[in-house]
Amino acid sequence: EAQVTQNPRYLITVTGKKLTVTCSQNMNHEYMSWYRQDPGLGLRQIYYSMNVEVTDKGDVPEGYKVSRKEKRNFPLILESPSPNQTSLYFCASSQGQNQPQHFGDGTRLSIL
Amino acid sequence: GQQVMQIPQYQHVQEGEDFTTYCNSSTTLSNIQWYKQRPGGHPVFLIQLVKSGEVKKQKRLTFQFGEAKKNSSLHITATQTTDVGTYFCAYPRRDSGYALNFGKGTSLLVTP
Repeated sequence: EAQVTQNPRYLITVTGKKLTVTCSQNMNHEYMSWYRQDPGLGLRQIYYSMNVEVTDKGDVPEGYKVSRKEKRNFPLILESPSPNQTSLYFCASSQGQNQPQHFGDGTRLSIL
Repeated sequence: GQQVMQIPQYQHVQEGEDFTTYCNSSTTLSNIQWYKQRPGGHPVFLIQLVKSGEVKKQKRLTFQFGEAKKNSSLHITATQTTDVGTYFCAYPRRDSGYALNFGKGTSLLVTP
């Protein structure tokens, strides 16, 4: 089954404790991206990747890192999480940046 | 810079009434996509519009792309409770390498 898998689905952690949210897709898609969703602000893009070893900043990249060492994986790294990064995070993939996006089920992060 | 507004932010209708959400851009869009997110779910791709004046239908949903490719709309005829959710337009943003950006969404509530 074609899917985008994110882990964990839920995480409560404390300020400053490094965390990684994994994202994996099995559709051989070149384009992957991360979004955060906050009430009243819609979906805001954090980072995106056009292909392996190619990443670029979205609208709200501060406090986040990503890597794209393999085509299928695009982890989101919070080196020193802060409470303002409490949010719902979605990973998405597509054949190209203007093609239909396939979203994962989301990761709800709470930073205390 | 490019600005895209999605209106209204919220809409509450009685079942059987029609519903329309609009996405309006200050600049020409190369294409536009529409997504639906059910409560507690992830965004799901509905349709992509590319041509000026394009109209596409999916059962009770009608999607339009304006002649100037600056405006788009999603119209639902005779809403049902299953239409509840948030509807997003998504567009390639010129000032970010044409990465896909999302409007803030219109949340639709349908009461029986």
